[in-house]
Amino acid sequence: SALTQPASVSGSPGQSITISCTGTSSDVGGYNHVSWYQHHPGKAPKFIIYDVSNRPSGVSGRFSGSKSVNTAFLTISGLQAEDEADYYCSSFTSSSTVIFGGGTKLTVL
Amino acid sequence: QVQLVESGGGVVQPGRSLTLSCEASGFTFRDFAMHWVRQAPGKGLEWVAVIWYNGNNKYHADSVKGRFTISRDNSKNTLYLQLDSLRAEDSAIYHCVKDREWLPRGGMDVWGQGTTVIV
Repeated sequence: SALTQPASVSGSPGQSITISCTGTSSDVGGYNHVSWYQHHPGKAPKFIIYDVSNRPSGVSGRFSGSKSVNTAFLTISGLQAEDEADYYCSSFTSSSTVIFGGGTKLTVL
Repeated sequence: QVQLVESGGGVVQPGRSLTLSCEASGFTFRDFAMHWVRQAPGKGLEWVAVIWYNGNNKYHADSVKGRFTISRDNSKNTLYLQLDSLRAEDSAIYHCVKDREWLPRGGMDVWGQGTTVIV
């Protein structure tokens, strides 16, 4: 089944928010291969974090990632209106497959 | 520029088959693992299948195992997904996605716009 993410989070412009992504020792806890994606409806998902805490070239420094045991975290600081989107985590697994989280809808108030 | 363009989607009756294709350009296709990821209406992203850079290893989600088959032709820079025994719950937008690495652990850094399958 999917990694566990909160269904929704919200924050005001300028604030910081954190989204959690909980798995097991067979995926999130077993590997440092957690990624995060930003998805605006109607567009292709955008790759924003890889290997737990690395940002691809061109991704804002306001996005950061971390992990503790079986839970990964995405933090967005200095919230902006354009950050309003769905966010998904994914992890490599012990079966050499990939698993996604259920997604979190971020609302910028 | 790096680009993935899917094709082959459409409307199909339950139990029938469909083949999706994905043409890659702007990068060395044979060096990277490739995935199919789908999103059903109103649902989240669901990983469907992955094939390693040389095609020697392929894995499918339990929800499609035995019905869908991923393949690639590195001479044509093309990824495929054969969809057999289609069910209503397979209706979704299917995205072709490039991995950062030669095996499926690097994260999905390039996404196609997707092709729609309606069963």
